[in-house]
Amino acid sequence: GIQVEQSPPDLILQEGANSTLRCNFSDSVNNLQWFHQNPWGQLINLFYIPSGTKQNGRLSATTVATERYSLLYISSSQTTDSGVYFCVPGGYNKLIFGAGTRLAVHP
Amino acid sequence: GAGVSQTPSNKVTEKGKYVELRCDPISGHTALYWYRQSLGQGPEFLIYFQGTGAADDSGLPNDRFFAVRPEGSVSTLKIQRTERGDSAVYLCASSLTVGATGYNEQFFGPGTRLTVL
Repeated sequence: GIQVEQSPPDLILQEGANSTLRCNFSDSVNNLQWFHQNPWGQLINLFYIPSGTKQNGRLSATTVATERYSLLYISSSQTTDSGVYFCVPGGYNKLIFGAGTRLAVHP
Repeated sequence: GAGVSQTPSNKVTEKGKYVELRCDPISGHTALYWYRQSLGQGPEFLIYFQGTGAADDSGLPNDRFFAVRPEGSVSTLKIQRTERGDSAVYLCASSLTVGATGYNEQFFGPGTRLTVL
């Protein structure tokens, strides 16, 4: 099956800082989503991005499918950005989650 | 409703008991998925329905786990003879029909936290 590697595993930021999260995956995929799991456990959809670049407010994502990686950019981080970020590739059905990147933003 | 809903939000049971977890997908979504998340890990796929039928149940850990979706909307995950190792958060997701375009963005519910004592 598809293997997912996210880096860094843990990240601590001061409020207002920018960061880049990276995801490498082992095989070609039909589907790739970025999620934010907040401290209450809810998985929030950030991007559906099997290829290309998308932006939504302070967040943007880029997937280079041919090179099997995806990047999530967080600008001007806020304390509400804290939680776990999952890059999740998949086929037409199941999503394959890795361990994610655990982000803590301090005021 | 606007999003995926799951009931109950918390379930505490004793080892050996039977439990049912319910998922209400987003209206109009024909695909439904169950995942299980243990503490400190990412969710793991259990089973996927397209309509009423289970299209892929390869993630079910053993035959104590079973899921149904009799009318192609609400789904129930059933666990028999629960064990302490079944304690986890059980997540449900739904998506539009997976068609020729391959578009398959999944949306998750809040989960059911199952604790087996």
